[in-house]
Amino acid sequence: EGQVVESGGGLVQPGGSRRLTCAASGFTFRIYNMHWVRQAPGKGLEWVSYISSSSSVIYYTDSVKGRFTISRDNAKNSLYLQMNSLRAEDTAVYYCARESPLSIWGQGTVVTVSS
Amino acid sequence: QSVLTQPPSVSGAPGQRVTISCTGSTSNIGAGYDVHWYQQLPGTAPKLLIYSNNNRPSGVPDRFSASKSGTSASLAIAGLQADDEADYYCQSYDRNLSVYWVFGGGTKLTVL
Repeated sequence: EGQVVESGGGLVQPGGSRRLTCAASGFTFRIYNMHWVRQAPGKGLEWVSYISSSSSVIYYTDSVKGRFTISRDNAKNSLYLQMNSLRAEDTAVYYCARESPLSIWGQGTVVTVSS
Repeated sequence: QSVLTQPPSVSGAPGQRVTISCTGSTSNIGAGYDVHWYQQLPGTAPKLLIYSNNNRPSGVPDRFSASKSGTSASLAIAGLQADDEADYYCQSYDRNLSVYWVFGGGTKLTVL
């Protein structure tokens, strides 16, 4: 069925940047739309961003527009999330997930924004 | 405040049946968009439990079922087991928001 594995999380200072990577395997990555979903500590799931299979369609939730950039490299079976101007409220576990329904999730990578 | 409303918690004894509601509006569930359900066991990533309103992925027991009507959906769990204790989330799509993919706030199921 396939799997995805996120990496790149860590401790970042407010205003800093971080790039998350999601490595896909076991399925034909290039034909699937992908999402980033996050979960703040003790909170529910929040959809963050979407990218179509060919990168032609991209969406963001309002709170990250202008700060986060989603991208993918189908040759490398990889999905990315470039996060700039990070804020404390961006602290969360970030999951990548394969197209809705979100049938494949990674284990998540933790991003902590704190000084 | 989530676009889709779920009860924060439900509980039931082993063997009992519980239901979890997911209330939306005419711009999401009521507009005909599919509802999906996810189970998140403690300390783990979410897992797809029900897709497209009432379909179970392979490997999901038939104790789990779901339905959709009007602007709401519901998840039913029959024959409760201790390892059903988890957070459950509904998810749909909203045509009026710039959020697009929307989740319920989640429901914590406690098996007594």
